[in-house]
Amino acid sequence: AQSVTQPDIHITVSEGASLELRCNYSYGATPYLFWYVQSPGQGLQLLLKYFSGDTLVQGIKGFEAEFKRSQSSFNLRKPSVHWSDAAEYFCAVGALLTGNQFYFGTGTSLTVIP
Amino acid sequence: NAGVTQTPKFRVLKTGQSMTLLCAQDMNHEYMYWYRQDPGMGLRLIHYSVGEGTTAKGEVPDGYNVSRLKKQNFLLGLESAAPSQTSVYFCASSPPGTGGSPLHFGNGTRLTVT
Repeated sequence: AQSVTQPDIHITVSEGASLELRCNYSYGATPYLFWYVQSPGQGLQLLLKYFSGDTLVQGIKGFEAEFKRSQSSFNLRKPSVHWSDAAEYFCAVGALLTGNQFYFGTGTSLTVIP
Repeated sequence: NAGVTQTPKFRVLKTGQSMTLLCAQDMNHEYMYWYRQDPGMGLRLIHYSVGEGTTAKGEVPDGYNVSRLKKQNFLLGLESAAPSQTSVYFCASSPPGTGGSPLHFGNGTRLTVT
């Protein structure tokens, strides 16, 4: 069955430190992969997406993610975290189903310490 | 740029009451969705629509009904609210696709059923 796993429920990092949020997926074919960010009281905003080609994709706000087929992973990274990055992060897989449906991970909550 | 607008932002219902959540998008998107977000469970698809006059069930459709009478609007109804429907509800829209078109989210409606 298709699924998305975000192993870390909550992560705390110091401002200026590097960040890596993990995402693993289970899918029969090469999936469309997405990372979304949700600030408190807001909807989800697209950070970046991977369809094909270069396995390292750049997104907004200085984020990047790397697709690793052998590990079924799509981890999100940022070299230097800012206090404004504190939010909930969701990984998602686009299912090849009618209606442009997605499978979402359960999210990782990021706290940034000054 | 309004994007996806949800009304109301907050609502408290008593068990057995009914209500309708309104979603409007101004991006001329064909597809629209209703998700619910619960702690530790990520986003789960309730219903979706691939065009005006069409609707389909998602992962957790029981207890909800939807209508898409106009392309820009997608309504979510609760006929007889239950405490298990306490959640944050998100509307989203996207261009047509099969898992490759990013979703555009509203800011959510927080519903409490007592």
